[in-house]
Amino acid sequence: LAKTTQPISMDSYEGQEVNITCSHNNIATNDYITWYQQFPSQGPRFIIQGYKTKVTNEVASLFIPADRKSSTLSLPRVSLSDTAVYYCLVPGKSGGGADGLTFGKGTHLIIQP
Amino acid sequence: EAEVAQSPRYKITEKSQAVAFWCDPISGHATLYWYRQILGQGPELLVQFQDESVVDDSQLPKDRFSAERLKGVDSTLKIQPAELGDSAMYLCASSPWRGRSPDNEQFFGPGTRLTVL
Repeated sequence: LAKTTQPISMDSYEGQEVNITCSHNNIATNDYITWYQQFPSQGPRFIIQGYKTKVTNEVASLFIPADRKSSTLSLPRVSLSDTAVYYCLVPGKSGGGADGLTFGKGTHLIIQP
Repeated sequence: EAEVAQSPRYKITEKSQAVAFWCDPISGHATLYWYRQILGQGPELLVQFQDESVVDDSQLPKDRFSAERLKGVDSTLKIQPAELGDSAMYLCASSPWRGRSPDNEQFFGPGTRLTVL
């Protein structure tokens, strides 16, 4: 079972770059790494997904080293509205349905003025 | 932009009563998921449908929970009887993919907040 480990909470300030690292030591060869964002009283929202090296979109960047045992979500120049819970997902062999995607507790990111 | 719809948004009920939640996925999405999220925890998958078929319900407490997606479009999740421990957010998500896909993005609805008294 590919289990993920990420910090329970982080805090930063407006305008800073925030990096959230997730470890997934048992990731399978063909599996992608997916990150979701969740605001209070809302459903999670897909942020970014990657397989290796670096992926960038309009919201974030995802850095994945060659061994793929970890990944880092990078949020550039955060604002107060980036305060949310961020989940790192990697498919596993059990749980998470046919897709194997299981949400852990996530990282609660708090951005201060 | 198409969205997943859920109703009701909030539901308060007494224990031993029956409750039902409804979800309308994004049009054309083959896969539908029901999750339960307890406060402070991540979403936990209860059941996954592909079209009208259940592909995984291993985490669904079948003694009291049931789910259906009769025509492969909208879906209903029912709890009977409700227990105090069922208080949670119930989230529905959909995906255009069938089967396991590496880029299987799930689109979530706003959820139904259930409080059991």
